[in-house]
Amino acid sequence: RKEVEQDPGPFNVPEGATVAFNCTYSNSASQSFFWYRQDCRKEPKLLMSVYSSGNEDGRFTAQLNRASQYISLLIRDSKLSDSATYLCVVNPWGQKVTFGIGTKLQVIP
Amino acid sequence: NAGVTQTPKFQVLKTGQSMTLQCAQDMNHNSMYWYRQDPGMGLRLIYYSASEGTTDKGEVPNGYNVSRLNKREFSLRLESAAPSQTSVYFCASSGTGEVSAPLHFGNGTRLTVT
Repeated sequence: RKEVEQDPGPFNVPEGATVAFNCTYSNSASQSFFWYRQDCRKEPKLLMSVYSSGNEDGRFTAQLNRASQYISLLIRDSKLSDSATYLCVVNPWGQKVTFGIGTKLQVIP
Repeated sequence: NAGVTQTPKFQVLKTGQSMTLQCAQDMNHNSMYWYRQDPGMGLRLIYYSASEGTTDKGEVPNGYNVSRLNKREFSLRLESAAPSQTSVYFCASSGTGEVSAPLHFGNGTRLTVT
């Protein structure tokens, strides 16, 4: 089983829609979690950290489920500018950071 | 504040040639990383350095060497380039000791080996 698994998509959604991505991880010792955004041929950029209690940043909501070992990202009211690949990142304490393969989102006018 | 700076941005090599990718960060981070990214493969860790003076192999270290020259700089060397090393290379850094420390990436080096 891969350390971090994501559905690569693509997810094609209309503008204004709500879309959710999940990411599962295998290392139960994982301590910190992040969502990154990567635009085509660009470097990944931090979108948001994921906290145990869940957290929200504008239209974006991240949640962590330790029991089932997954994190999720919810995007409400999708914009054309949200089109990108979303990377799930898991950081077990004292071990190397692990990236998911990424989920491609295409928001359609 | 430059963050993480990588050079060069683009490079074309012939099989068997050598080169060094340079990376420097000005955020006083302890940890630095080299990743490669290939279509459909996601980011794969080549080498990382948890702190100055230490380096460790990642998922795909074969064909590469690294040097943590000082706290700021972490270079990646290809001794004898192969077409399989055609990829986009990203350097990243993070603050060690911080459980929630995210990675900061450089702009990437697009390498083609013919």
